[in-house]
Amino acid sequence: AQKITQTQPGMFVQEKEAVTLDCTYDTSDPSYGLFWYKQPSSGEMIFLIYQGSYDQQNATEGRYSLNFQKARKSANLVISASQLGDSAMYFCAMREASGGSNYKLTFGKGTLLTVNP
Amino acid sequence: IAGITQAPTSQILAAGRRMTLRCTQDMRHNAMYWYRQDLGLGLRLIHYSNTAGTTGKGEVPDGYSVSRANTDDFPLTLASAVPSQTSVYFCASSDVYGGQLYGYTFGSGTRLTVV
Repeated sequence: AQKITQTQPGMFVQEKEAVTLDCTYDTSDPSYGLFWYKQPSSGEMIFLIYQGSYDQQNATEGRYSLNFQKARKSANLVISASQLGDSAMYFCAMREASGGSNYKLTFGKGTLLTVNP
Repeated sequence: IAGITQAPTSQILAAGRRMTLRCTQDMRHNAMYWYRQDLGLGLRLIHYSNTAGTTGKGEVPDGYSVSRANTDDFPLTLASAVPSQTSVYFCASSDVYGGQLYGYTFGSGTRLTVV
């Protein structure tokens, strides 16, 4: 079974509108972390936002916020006021402390976001 | 500038040849990782190293080997390249504070084509 599921292969949004990118996860580890990364067409991986499993508040970083619903095992990324530069591939990832010391990130397959002018 | 350096940036390799992808970090991070990225599959972990002198297998280790002789370097070797190893390879590093990993720093990637 997939540990990270991103059900939207592609998304379109109009400039200045908000968009939500979906991510669901599967883990039995009570301590885990959820990440979102952006990969523009140039190829580099850019860290956006982090949410720990014990964090009480939803994480926010500028125009990015993470809608963390622990019971539903979802960690959706919300981008407010989309900009043309937001067009990119977005990856959701999860860190589990499996095996005690093996800290690894497992990635979803990604969502390609296109922002239209 | 602190970060991760990967080399080469891109390479075309004949099937059956041996190839080492280089990865060096200058942040003194204790953990390092190799991922491959393929269209529609996201990033998949090949090998990892929690500290210098130790390595472990990830999700797709077959056909690849790694070594971690020191903190800064984590080379990935393809002993005998096959076309299915055509991919973009990312090296990453991370540090662990209080038992928690907070995120990765990624290199800029190596685009490898095996023909």
